[in-house]
Formats: sequence, structure tokens, C-alpha cells
Amino acid sequence: GAGVSQTPSNKVTEKGKYVELRCDPISGHTALYWYRQSLGQGPEFLIYFQGTGAADDSGLPNDRFFAVRPEGSVSTLKIQRTERGDSAVYLCASNFGGTRGNQPQHFGDGTRLSIL
Amino acid sequence: AQSVSQHNHHVILSEAASLELGCNYSYGGTVNLFWYVQYPGQHLQLLLKYFSGDPLVKGIKGFEAEFIKSKFSFNLRKPSVQWSDTAEYFCALAYNNNDMRFGAGTRLTVKP
Repeated sequence: GAGVSQTPSNKVTEKGKYVELRCDPISGHTALYWYRQSLGQGPEFLIYFQGTGAADDSGLPNDRFFAVRPEGSVSTLKIQRTERGDSAVYLCASNFGGTRGNQPQHFGDGTRLSIL
Repeated sequence: AQSVSQHNHHVILSEAASLELGCNYSYGGTVNLFWYVQYPGQHLQLLLKYFSGDPLVKGIKGFEAEFIKSKFSFNLRKPSVQWSDTAEYFCALAYNNNDMRFGAGTRLTVKP
């Protein structure tokens, strides 16, 4: 498709389990971003990739969160030992990157993660 | 630290009323400012953006925003809202290497 694709759209799992969330960016976009959105809040920045490398991972809340983008396209956000507080909508966005910050980001529909 | 503040959590208007949503940011360097909209059940979409030049920028669906550097503000306006404008609106600031920070959002409800 033409847009950012995120799978699964919904994920329900038990506390303590491991989850992987996938993002397939728009073809040709070099930059990819992960955000977390809790109810009633704006998207909270987690990590940003330029190509295969994490240009900024300062938003990852703790070491249970990790993200990869091995081939510079698809990215996976990994959460270990999930906690109920991890429940949120996880958003992915992409754009052409650059260094001036003037490229709009294109968002996917998000993955709604629920930790029981 | 860089931050974005949206003053109104929930705004309720009747159709044809004028709209202004406040957005203030905290950052001392060159800024790129955006307004995104999220319609019910849909993903975030770009409404308009400011990078440089004319501080009054026009976006889709009749929206506009004015960048006032001295006030660190980027308020969103629309002269006459429609029921279809019911959505959540997010102001965002991008700086440096494409880091972006969002405000908490303003939920707009337009009554027919």
C-alpha cells in the first residue's frame, strides 16, 4: 500500500510477556519514528531511525524497550517483560529524513497494545 | 527541554463558529511547526506546517495558523467550523535532526 503499515492492529497479552510490533514505512522513506500514545495524550516520542541506525533513542522509557531496523526499511519495536503501564497505542511514522526537521511525518494507524 | 503546550483540552463549538486553538512551544533554536489532525478512527494527518517565510500559513480544509516568534506561539484558526471538523488536533514541534514533540492535543466537538 501507499501508506505506513503497522501490524498487528491490536495486541492483547499478559503481564510479563514479550511483544513485537512491526512497522512497514512508505517506500523510499529513510527515516522512521516510533511513538507511544496514551489515552488523552499526544504522541510521545520513543525512537527515531535514519537508515539502519537509531539516530535518537532518548525516548525509550527503559531497557525493556528496544527497536531495530536491520535493512533500513521495516522496523520492529520489542517490549520485554511487559507491564500494565505499557498499554497504549504505539504509532509509527516515516519521512525522507534530512537534517533540517522540515519533513512532515506520515503516520500509520497504530498498534493498540493491551497488557492484562 | 523542548516542549509543546496546548491550552485547551476540549473545545465545543456550534457549526459556523470561529475556531482558535492555542499552541505554545519551548525551544530557543530554529523551529519547524506542524498541526496534525486525527479524525475518529483514522490515523494522524498533516493539516499544515511552518518552516520559514510568511508566518501565516494555510493548510487543508480552510485551516490556517500564525507563527508568532515573540510569543513562541503557533495558533490554529478556522473562520467557520463544520461538523466534519470534529477531531483531535495536535500541535507539534520539530527541531534539529527531525526529532518531533507533540502537544497533548485538543479535542474539538462541533455540534450540528
